[in-house]
Amino acid sequence: KNQVEQSPQSLIILEGKNCTLQCNYTVSPFSNLRWYKQDTGRGPVSLTIMTFSENTKSNGRYTATLDADTKQSSLHITASQLSDSASYICVVSVSDYKLSFGAGTTVTVRA
Amino acid sequence: KAGVTQTPRYLIKTRGQQVTLSCSPISGHRSVSWYQQTPGQGLQFLFEYFSETQRNKGNFPGRFSGRQFSNSRSEMNVSTLELGDSALYLCASSFREPDNYGYTFGSGTRLTVV
Repeated sequence: KNQVEQSPQSLIILEGKNCTLQCNYTVSPFSNLRWYKQDTGRGPVSLTIMTFSENTKSNGRYTATLDADTKQSSLHITASQLSDSASYICVVSVSDYKLSFGAGTTVTVRA
Repeated sequence: KAGVTQTPRYLIKTRGQQVTLSCSPISGHRSVSWYQQTPGQGLQFLFEYFSETQRNKGNFPGRFSGRQFSNSRSEMNVSTLELGDSALYLCASSFREPDNYGYTFGSGTRLTVV
């Protein structure tokens, strides 16, 4: 069973609207949690990195939150743009360089 | 500053052949890791090299191997290709310990096995 579960699997939103992606993990011990954006056919690009002591981190219109107690994270996209259409991947890192990847959420922004 | 460069970008091979993929990390980065990405399995860790030594390895068969050179460039080799090896292969580089310093991905090599 995957230790990092993302939801929804995919979503479609209208340009200018907000959306929130979820990431639940069971990985332990926990070192940090990252959100990546991956455009089709390209490599993932880091959006945010949070340690267990941080509960929010922003990068422009992207805001990630982390609740280490409930082992949940979310990525909120504000005022979506067509360029936000991509796959968003949650990656949880334990110690000793072991990574657990979520399957990703595919976001489609329509005009 | 140049990013992580992977070559070739696209590759078509037939079953049974072998293939070598190349990754040039960001200048100064000493850690290079490799990942396989497929629609069904998502991103899966293959192995990680640091200063020419393999430090970590994922759960892939021995047909998948890699190496790192003294200039930190890395190659990944897949022998006796199978249809299921068709995937996007990504490499990522980091200055030292990726967990502390973060890592940067290349654009990947799209391998198609026919």
